[in-house]
Amino acid sequence: KAGVTQTPRYLIKTRGQQVTLSCSPISGHRSVSWYQQTPGQGLQFLFEYFSETQRNKGNFPGRFSGRQFSNSRSEMNVSTLELGDSALYLCASKPGTGGYEQYFGPGTRLTVT
Amino acid sequence: AQSVSQHNHHVILSEAASLELGCNYSYGGTVNLFWYVQYPGQHLQLLLKYFSGDPLVKGIKGFEAEFIKSKFSFNLRKPSVQWSDTAEYFCAVNAGDSSYKLIFGSGTRLLVRP
Repeated sequence: KAGVTQTPRYLIKTRGQQVTLSCSPISGHRSVSWYQQTPGQGLQFLFEYFSETQRNKGNFPGRFSGRQFSNSRSEMNVSTLELGDSALYLCASKPGTGGYEQYFGPGTRLTVT
Repeated sequence: AQSVSQHNHHVILSEAASLELGCNYSYGGTVNLFWYVQYPGQHLQLLLKYFSGDPLVKGIKGFEAEFIKSKFSFNLRKPSVQWSDTAEYFCAVNAGDSSYKLIFGSGTRLLVRP
């Protein structure tokens, strides 16, 4: 089975812009979660999508949003970018919305200047 | 709120040395426990997991971990490390009402010298 894929792998944006990141889960996995990884805060949960619905959300401002399509692919959007949004954004997939192990993609490295 | 603590932030070992990385979590109920590894330039990979049953779990690449419920610990061990084990190791838990997400420790950077 192909693993979790994320595009693009690298992005450079300017403060105030918006960005959209994409994630394709492992075939058959219906839950997609997003995490932010930074040196200072570590790995933090952003949100989870299951069956095209946001099921759970972490403690991030409303500038961070996402959606999931009928084929389980997910996109994450960050509006009005701030310097502090520079991070590695990781997508993870699992079969359902319960306590399964999660499989991670390679991440998108976002740099905000 | 649940939390995960990894007390060793940086560990340096010589090849063939034994490894033990500490992980403690704070939650009194049922937990699922994981160790993930992030090799330089690569994505997070699952090393091993504990859901229930035998508290000593074996993972890939010769790693094992022991769940000690009374100590809220899930320490990672390897009897003899190799240079290729150089990586960052993350302990993670999902628990209770938050079982939909992983709560990660801050990670331990392991450097194995040849």
